[in-house]
Amino acid sequence: GENVEQHPSTLSVQEGDSAVIKCTYSDSASNYFPWYKQELGKRPQLIIDIRSNVGEKKDQRIAVTLNKTAKHFSLHITETQPEDSAVYFCAASWNYGQNFVFGPGTRLSVLP
Amino acid sequence: KAGVTQTPRYLIKTRGQQVTLSCSPISGHRSVSWYQQTPGQGLQFLFEYFSETQRNKGNFPGRFSGRQFSNSRSEMNVSTLELGDSALYLCASSWEGGAYTEAFFGQGTRLTVV
Repeated sequence: GENVEQHPSTLSVQEGDSAVIKCTYSDSASNYFPWYKQELGKRPQLIIDIRSNVGEKKDQRIAVTLNKTAKHFSLHITETQPEDSAVYFCAASWNYGQNFVFGPGTRLSVLP
Repeated sequence: KAGVTQTPRYLIKTRGQQVTLSCSPISGHRSVSWYQQTPGQGLQFLFEYFSETQRNKGNFPGRFSGRQFSNSRSEMNVSTLELGDSALYLCASSWEGGAYTEAFFGQGTRLTVV
């Protein structure tokens, strides 16, 4: 079955700097890759997603890139702000999002 | 528009007991998925229901079961509880489930087994 690895497990950046989180997946049939943000004590919320037929997607300060050949995808956050501090989960789905295999998460801390 | 609602928010049960958790999806959503979240194992998929049918299933023992009603509300049941079942149980709903539709998570039910 699918296996998703995520690095780093923790990441600290200065406010205003960029943050990059990388995930690799094992199943070449995976076709949908969302990223979720989970603040302490709150529910995971979708922040951006990418389909397997797209190489890059941007939404304001957030971007995701996908390399199908290498089977990895990355989350890029520019101009980080304290409210970006949270745990970020990548996920992969082989059935267009009916269910996901999640990475273990990255705890991002944005230091003022 | 109301979000995904899970009840109860907190539960404390004794080993060997059984428990039922409830999830009310966003109105109009027909797909409901369940996930177990623990510090050690992260977010793990339990099962997904669509139009009252279990469409996908994760790698959990048969003690974990679920169902979906005609109004799309879903319940999951865990029988013969073990200490290791202590976790945050999250459900997520989406309009169709798949076809790239966004999955919205509930606040979760925190189950503690003592």
